[in-house]
Amino acid sequence: DTAVSQTPKYLVTQMGNDKSIKCEQNLGHDTMYWYKQDSKKFLKIMFSYNNKELIINETVPNRFSPKSPDKAHLNLHINSLELGDSAVYFCASSQGAPRYTDTQYFGPGTRLTVL
Amino acid sequence: QKEVEQNSGPLSVPEGAIASLNCTYSDRVSQSFFWYRQYSGKSPELIMSIYSNGDKEDGRFTAQLNKASQYVSLLIRDSQPSDSATYLCALSPGGSTLGRLYFGRGTQLTVWP
Repeated sequence: DTAVSQTPKYLVTQMGNDKSIKCEQNLGHDTMYWYKQDSKKFLKIMFSYNNKELIINETVPNRFSPKSPDKAHLNLHINSLELGDSAVYFCASSQGAPRYTDTQYFGPGTRLTVL
Repeated sequence: QKEVEQNSGPLSVPEGAIASLNCTYSDRVSQSFFWYRQYSGKSPELIMSIYSNGDKEDGRFTAQLNKASQYVSLLIRDSQPSDSATYLCALSPGGSTLGRLYFGRGTQLTVWP
């Protein structure tokens, strides 16, 4: 059984389009995250939801809108895609705050290419 | 954004050697430290976590934390070609910033047979 899954695995699209990435976890975790990994492999947090509530929003352009329909799912919608949005987007999940020993588990990633 | 610095490498060691990966950080209140391994084209995989000063051993891996020097390291003993990957150091500041993981840019390790 896959613990954290993402769809699609690859996404190729034109500038200006709108696209969504979906994430699901079956670990029973309360907290889910979106990370962006750029071409230089730098991994940076974008958003975090705890029990469907947004708790982290790291200065991400408002073209990016996360949505959590329930605590097992976290989607990422991107409007008006730009070349600089090309990256690998990782979803992750964890038990959640407040334990400082909280461990995050990553999904397989979605490679987004904007042409 | 918390600063997490790693030598980008590449670090190249022969099979059977000890690989030493280092990480320094700027935020003194950081509580939790993690080492992730990422194979090319794959997702980060947690291999070690450490929260207290000193050493923590798990099989061939030893994590070392020195909060006074703001330094965390990972030693891989008896390195194998399958250890060839990028190793990411990450920290969690704790407190009100719980949940945020800040990553270094990774050290690429190659173990040659």
